[in-house]
Parts: sequence; C-alpha cells; structure tokens
Amino acid sequence: DTAVSQTPKYLVTQMGNDKSIKCEQNLGHDTMYWYKQDSKKFLKIMFSYNNKELIINETVPNRFSPKSPDKAHLNLHINSLELGDSAVYFCASSQGGRDRYGYTFGSGTRLTVV
Amino acid sequence: SQQGEEDPQALSIQEGENATMNCSYKTSINNLQWYRQNSGRGLVHLILIRSNEREKHSGRLRVTLDTSKKSSSLLITASRAADTASYFCATGNSGYSTLTFGKGTMLLVSP
Repeated sequence: DTAVSQTPKYLVTQMGNDKSIKCEQNLGHDTMYWYKQDSKKFLKIMFSYNNKELIINETVPNRFSPKSPDKAHLNLHINSLELGDSAVYFCASSQGGRDRYGYTFGSGTRLTVV
Repeated sequence: SQQGEEDPQALSIQEGENATMNCSYKTSINNLQWYRQNSGRGLVHLILIRSNEREKHSGRLRVTLDTSKKSSSLLITASRAADTASYFCATGNSGYSTLTFGKGTMLLVSP
C-alpha cells in the first residue's frame, strides 16, 4: 500500500554513466516533485510537475531530465553522472499545485557516484 | 534559496521530557509545515499551520507561529525513544511554489 514509491532504493554507479530513478504515487495527487538531499541533510527542490506539466525547474544542470508520462509517475533521468551528484533523491506528491498542503514523500534513492 | 532555519541543530533529551525546536524564516509565508525524517527514510508530514493561525495541536505535538517574528516552534510533549529523528520546518508561499525546507534539528531521545 506504499503511497509514493521510488526505485531503486540504492544506486551505485560510475562517473559518466546514465541512470534513471522511477517514482510512482497511488494517492491520486496531481502534483509531483523531485528533491535532492545532500550529505548535510539540506533538501533542495529540483522539479515540480502538475498534471504532467513542468511548473518548477530550479537551477539544475540539464544533465537532469524529468519525465512525467502521466500524473501518477515522475521519473528522473541523469546523464553523464558526476561525483557531485551523489546524494539522496526524494520524490514527493501533493494535491494541488500549490504548497498549501502536506507533501507525501517516497523513501528516497541513495545515489553514489564513484 | 533556503528559507527556514531550525534551532537547535541537535537536541538530546531523556524519555518523558519535552522537546522544543524552533524555526525562523525570512519572507512572508502562506503556511508553515513540520516534517519528521527517521534515519534512512523519507520525510513524514506532521502538521501544517496557516499564516492566520497562531497555534495548532496534533496529539503530543504543539506548533506555534508568530508571523511578526517570522518564527515557529514545535513542541513534542512526553517524548519517547521512537521520536528520535530529524525534524524539518518547511515554508509555503502564496501562488504556485514549492515548499522550502530548513536544515533540520536532530532529536535524540534516550530511554
């Protein structure tokens, strides 16, 4: 009955590789997000999608490309991985494209680039 | 840019004691939310307080909001070892925007 599920949970890969992280929510929410949490636990928004449309795109290298095939899915593809991409990536969802409601987070994907 | 700043960065207490965490922010907000993150897990939404509210309760949690001081506090009463986690405040602004999180307070509750 997982509300927001991310796969994989752990990802270890070499520099220069391309990888994808998948996210799915079964809450019927219309807005989904990707956040990056660094080693100091600082959470930073990367992207926000509302009904499959990109509404927020923070200053993120264009090696990161989100894709939302439908409003229940938001995947993150990363090209040419760099050491600095190592972090925990969280997917989240909410109802309503505004920040007035609580977010439901996935359990995170710990990406390690070696 | 980061909006919320939690204080203290870390807090260590005994079971049964109360834990108070503070959050300060810089710009006007529509609402302020508190989240808990257990080690190696995602964030869990605890409570939301709107800008026109001053205090809100949920079980053992009590949140206050002072918009004139741009600050909020989270009080956990009668703490338990299971409350050990990091606690984050997040602010929401009007319009189409996303939550902005602070750096969090690490709470350790010892049995």
